[in-house]
Amino acid sequence: DAKTTQPPSMDCAEGRAANLPCNHSTISGNEYVYWYRQIHSQGPQYIIHGLKNNETNEMASLIITEDRKSSTLILPHATLRDTAVYYCIVDSGGSNYKLTFGKGTLLTVNP
Amino acid sequence: GAVVSQHPSWVICKSGTSVKIECRSLDFQATTMFWYRQFPKQSLMLMATSNEGSKATYEQGVEKDKFLINHASLTLSTLTVTSAHPEDSSFYICSARGSPGYEQYFGPGTRLTVT
Repeated sequence: DAKTTQPPSMDCAEGRAANLPCNHSTISGNEYVYWYRQIHSQGPQYIIHGLKNNETNEMASLIITEDRKSSTLILPHATLRDTAVYYCIVDSGGSNYKLTFGKGTLLTVNP
Repeated sequence: GAVVSQHPSWVICKSGTSVKIECRSLDFQATTMFWYRQFPKQSLMLMATSNEGSKATYEQGVEKDKFLINHASLTLSTLTVTSAHPEDSSFYICSARGSPGYEQYFGPGTRLTVT
């Protein structure tokens, strides 16, 4: 599976958009980009995933560059409850699909 | 989204005893379940993958005789930590997937403390 690189930490003001970057320069053509987050002492929560098109759901938007070597997760209006570790993971989603977590980005939303 | 539960949410046991943790998919059938372990201030580490009715596949370095996994039905998987020691104290998290290519849904985790 391709590896990802994320900044260890980021800060964001409450009510502003939070843009979390992820580099995955070795991603293969059949690999999806998944985003999960983990609030302290809880299990990870699925946020969104995509292959090459931009995706949006009720939680966030995922912007994938045309060459697919990087992506950005956007939380449009961050709240204090969005403070968490955000994980960007790439995987093929096939029968051997199993998520491997890196260190992620600790997003702290400040009042 | 799909819901995965774990029981118990926390457990304290004495060194040398065994502890069983249950993982259930409440509103979908989980063809594959995963068990992770997370130490303080570290990321999740995959321990094993199990498919319903099959033996679990363990990641390198995980002792299969110590961490017994049973995926007896499409909604239940159990992890038994045998002869627990203080170094087994950790946060254990399960996840479940309905079909290949679908996203994984995670349980809330079980905090195990071995005294």
